[in-house]
Amino acid sequence: DGGITQSPKYLFRKEGQNVTLSCEQNLNHDAMYWYRQDPGQGLRLIYYSQIVNDFQKGDIAEGYSVSREKKESFPLTVTSAQKNPTAFYLCASRDRANSPLHFGNGTRLTVT
Amino acid sequence: AQSVAQPEDQVNVAEGNPLTVKCTYSVSGNPYLFWYVQYPNRGLQFLLKYITGDNLVKGSYGFEAEFNKSQTSFHLKKPSALVSDSALYFCAVRLGGGGADGLTFGKGTHLIIQP
Repeated sequence: DGGITQSPKYLFRKEGQNVTLSCEQNLNHDAMYWYRQDPGQGLRLIYYSQIVNDFQKGDIAEGYSVSREKKESFPLTVTSAQKNPTAFYLCASRDRANSPLHFGNGTRLTVT
Repeated sequence: AQSVAQPEDQVNVAEGNPLTVKCTYSVSGNPYLFWYVQYPNRGLQFLLKYITGDNLVKGSYGFEAEFNKSQTSFHLKKPSALVSDSALYFCAVRLGGGGADGLTFGKGTHLIIQP
C-alpha cells in the first residue's frame, strides 16, 4: 500500500543535541511538507519542498533544517537552536495543487 | 496572508443528533478548503474538500460541508452522530491555483459524541 512512513514514533533527546526525523513516501508525490503540532495551536508549517534539491521555509523554520536529495525522502533536523523542540511532528505529501495532503502518523519528540 | 478560524475548542453532541463543526476562512482569492480528522497520536485523515462547483460537498464517513462564499464559511456537518466520530477536527485553506505552498490549518475542534 502507498503511504508515508515516519520514524521513529517516539524520540527522546537531551537539550543541546541535534536530532533528525525521517519521512519516506512511496506515493510518487512531488511536494512534501513538515508540520509541527502543539496542543491548542493546530498545525504550523515548518518547511516544504516542491521538487528534489529545492525547499522553502514555512512559517516557523527557525531552528530547523531539511534536505531533499531523493523524491521519496524529506528528513527534518531539529537543531539545538530550536527553543521549544518538544512537539508532535507530521510529514505530508501532495500530488496536484488541488489534491489533499496525505499525512504520516507523526513523530513525538521530547527534549529534556 | 490566509487564515482559518475554528471558533469552538470543543463541541458536545448526543449520539444520533446532527452535528456541526464551524469554520471560517480568510484568503485573498478563490479558496481551496479541506476538512481533516485526527485520532489520538495519529496523523490527519482527509475527509472532504471544496475546490470549485457545487457548494455542498460530501465526504468520508457520512460527513458533508457547505461552502458559503458570502459568509466565508465552510462548516462541517453530519445528520446523525456516532460515538466513533469523537476526534479532533481541522479545517484548512490554501489559495487556489498552482504552487506547492502548504495548507493553513485552524486550531482544531474536539468533537465529543456522548452515548
